[in-house]
Amino acid sequence: SQQGEEDPQALSIQEGENATMNCSYKTSINNLQWYRQNSGRGLVHLILIRSNEREKHSGRLRVTLDTSKKSSSLLITASRAADTASYFCATLPTSGTYKYIFGTGTRLKVLA
Amino acid sequence: EAQVTQNPRYLITVTGKKLTVTCSQNMNHEYMSWYRQDPGLGLRQIYYSMNVEVTDKGDVPEGYKVSRKEKRNFPLILESPSPNQTSLYFCASSSDRSGFGGELFFGEGSRLTVL
Repeated sequence: SQQGEEDPQALSIQEGENATMNCSYKTSINNLQWYRQNSGRGLVHLILIRSNEREKHSGRLRVTLDTSKKSSSLLITASRAADTASYFCATLPTSGTYKYIFGTGTRLKVLA
Repeated sequence: EAQVTQNPRYLITVTGKKLTVTCSQNMNHEYMSWYRQDPGLGLRQIYYSMNVEVTDKGDVPEGYKVSRKEKRNFPLILESPSPNQTSLYFCASSSDRSGFGGELFFGEGSRLTVL
C-alpha cells in the first residue's frame, strides 16, 4: 500500500502564481524528500527535510514538515511554465529497512 | 558526468522470454534500488541493495531478481516476464551511509512492454 499520498492529484495555475502541494504519510520517518518528474523522465531530487526540521528553503521552494500530523507541504513561489511536471514526496520510515516509499504524485500545470 | 545509466530504454518482449535491464552508476554509491511506476500508483520499490552482495526485497519483488556483484552495477532480471510486468522501471542510487536516507539519483527509465 502507498504510504505517501499527495494532494491535490492535479493542479493548474497561471505563471507567476504560487503552487502548494501536500503529502501525508503513515509511519514515523527519518526524512522526507520531494522529487520532480518531467513527463516519463527520471525523477530529480528537489529537497530533503529531516524529521527534526520543520521548514526548509531552496530557491523558490519552501518545504514544511509536521511530524505530529504526519504531513508535509511543498510551496513553489512565482511559478514558471518550466515548473510543469509531476511532484512526488518520498519517505524513509524508521522501521530499520531501507525502503523508500513514494506517493502517487501531484501533476502541476503552469499556464503561460 | 555523474549519472545512472539504464539499458534498454525501451523494450517490447513476449511472455516468458527472460530479460535483463541493466543499471550502472559512476558515483561510487553504495545504495542502489529498483522501482516500477504505474499510472495512479506512483513508484513502488522492487529491490534495493545496501552494498555489494547485499540485497533485500522492496514492496513488490515478485517476479523479479537482482544481483549486486559489483558496486557500480545492479541489474534487474525478469526470469519469465508476464503482461502485468508491463511498466516503466527506474533505477536509483544514493551515497547515503548514515542510514537515515539521502538524495536518490535516478536513471532515465526503461519502458517495458510484455505481450
